[in-house]
Amino acid sequence: GAVVSQHPSRVICKSGTSVKIECRSLDFQATTMFWYRQFPKQSLMLMATSNEGSKATYEQGVEKDKFLINHASLTLSTLTVTSAHPEDSSFYICSARETVSKQYFGPGTRLTVT
Amino acid sequence: SQQGEEDPQALSIQEGENATMNCSYKTSINNLQWYRQNSGRGLVHLILIRSNEREKHSGRLRVTLDTSKKSSSLLITASRAADTASYFCATDTYGGSQGNLIFGKGTKLSVKP
Repeated sequence: GAVVSQHPSRVICKSGTSVKIECRSLDFQATTMFWYRQFPKQSLMLMATSNEGSKATYEQGVEKDKFLINHASLTLSTLTVTSAHPEDSSFYICSARETVSKQYFGPGTRLTVT
Repeated sequence: SQQGEEDPQALSIQEGENATMNCSYKTSINNLQWYRQNSGRGLVHLILIRSNEREKHSGRLRVTLDTSKKSSSLLITASRAADTASYFCATDTYGGSQGNLIFGKGTKLSVKP
């Protein structure tokens, strides 16, 4: 199946700093990518839909100025957590849509804010 | 917002037994998908069932869909210790133009050797 990568897999940062997470579709082009957040022992919550060449669509309750999404090419979307705080510590997972009904998930990025 | 609700939240069985997980959802859907997640890892797509399908098989997996009850079940037959993971259902809601998925809370399956 198709492969989606995320980088980094783990990151520890200090409170107040910004962290960028990359999501790449390695063998297909994805006009649409999704960003999810997963807290420990909980399910995935959709944060935003990232569209190549246009602004991301954020879910209700997700601060767009805090979670900056850039989808500059058909194979790369980035999520930047700005001014991170300990409550932003979570597992962030991206997915890339290959077709309307098929999307592939990245391995996730574990963010710890100290 | 979450749409799917899985039950049970946790399931512990012996190797060789069958495991059944259920998922209920609230709105009309295009399709329903089941995913597996090993602890601290990404998601692996298991199976997709479309709204006009009632049952689907893939290896040891059997998925049913009852759109009148807005529910689905995932059956894993002859379970193995390697099946230990969390299992999530996800719905692709009807009319959604971008295919974004809404995940249920998941069932944590533990298969004891």
